[in-house]
Amino acid sequence: TQLLEQSPQFLSIQEGENLTVYCNSSSVFSSLQWYRQEPGEGPVLLVTVVTGGEVKKLKRLTFQFGDARKDSSLHITAAQPGDTGLYLCAAIRSYNTDKLIFGTGTRLQVFP
Amino acid sequence: KAGVTQTPRYLIKTRGQQVTLSCSPISGHRSVSWYQQTPGQGLQFLFEYFSETQRNKGNFPGRFSGRQFSNSRSEMNVSTLELGDSALYLCASSQGQGATYEQYFGPGTRLTVT
Repeated sequence: TQLLEQSPQFLSIQEGENLTVYCNSSSVFSSLQWYRQEPGEGPVLLVTVVTGGEVKKLKRLTFQFGDARKDSSLHITAAQPGDTGLYLCAAIRSYNTDKLIFGTGTRLQVFP
Repeated sequence: KAGVTQTPRYLIKTRGQQVTLSCSPISGHRSVSWYQQTPGQGLQFLFEYFSETQRNKGNFPGRFSGRQFSNSRSEMNVSTLELGDSALYLCASSQGQGATYEQYFGPGTRLTVT
């Protein structure tokens, strides 16, 4: 059983479309991170959210941490081919356990 | 500043053999974490080393071990390889201990067990 479930698993869209990726759990997390991984490379950190209800924007990407700190979403506006990749959410359950738990991943393909 | 480097990038081994993977962290980073990535299980934490000491461990069998040297470089060893060990092994370095510090991942070592 995966602690962090992401949906959808795969997403194939045209350039210019909007999309949302979800990261859900029944557990409460102290913080949550989003990564993007491109083929042949390791994941690269995009953002860290810590406070319930927190919203962060990174150009066309908007990240939200749920009020109860159990879920998160990533919204991309006007997707571009350069957004193609594997998107991973990762969470820290508590600062005592202090290790990252990764989500199941969402593979995004943006066609020109 | 050079990024995290991992060697080798690709490796093919036979069941029952053992393998050692190497990770050189970003200069000045003292923490190195190892992860296993497979299509079925996703990205899973193996262990973290900080100042040559293992400070955190995931749920993997004892066949998976690691160590860290005084220059912060780390090695991971897998003994008695099984087909299910085929995966991308990623290491990540950070300035401080624990997942609250930003982790910088290397490109990974692709291990294939036949």
